[in-house]
Amino acid sequence: DAGVIQSPRHEVTEMGQEVTLRCKPISGHNSLFWYRQTMMRGLELLIYFNNNVPIDDSGMPEDRFSAKMPNASFSTLKIQPSEPRDSAVYFCASSLFGGNEQYFGPGTRLTVT
Amino acid sequence: EDKVVQSPLSLVVHEGDTVTLNCSYEVTNFRSLLWYKQEKKAPTFLFMLTSSGIEKKSGRLSSILDKKELFSILNITATQTGDSAIYLCAGGNSGGSNYKLTFGKGTLLTVNP
Repeated sequence: DAGVIQSPRHEVTEMGQEVTLRCKPISGHNSLFWYRQTMMRGLELLIYFNNNVPIDDSGMPEDRFSAKMPNASFSTLKIQPSEPRDSAVYFCASSLFGGNEQYFGPGTRLTVT
Repeated sequence: EDKVVQSPLSLVVHEGDTVTLNCSYEVTNFRSLLWYKQEKKAPTFLFMLTSSGIEKKSGRLSSILDKKELFSILNITATQTGDSAIYLCAGGNSGGSNYKLTFGKGTLLTVNP
């Protein structure tokens, strides 16, 4: 299996621009999680989906953040407009529904200048 | 609010030393305790523990869970420079359709030759 796939791996953008991060979960996994990791706050859960349905988005920091999962093999996390404080590594992870064992993608390192 | 606390925050040892990393948790509807290793990329899964007192082992790494004291430890014997990484502990819950992980801030382990 290819594992969780994320793109892009690195993104550098200017403040105010729209950023879209993409994730393909492991085939057969029906839960998908978006995390943000910074030195200060560690690994934080932003939102997760079960069977393509958002279950808990309480970790999404502001209305500037949105996430979608149009089908079982694709999800996006969008930031619009981006700000310098959004700079972080964003991870996508997937698991089988009902299981706690999550597998992480390689992450997207976002830098907003 | 669920909480996972790891100690120490960082640790420097010499090759061949044995280390013990600590993790305490307060997780609603607790079901499992997970350990991940993070080098310069994504967290990779090490162990998942669900029962007290049963040690899990993988080579030089072992872990045990105490559900009464809400505590887990990760032991690494005969450390090698390749063990240098951030070790993350996470508490997993279960409840309805809610199966998410709460991560600690991690322990940064540096193994010097």
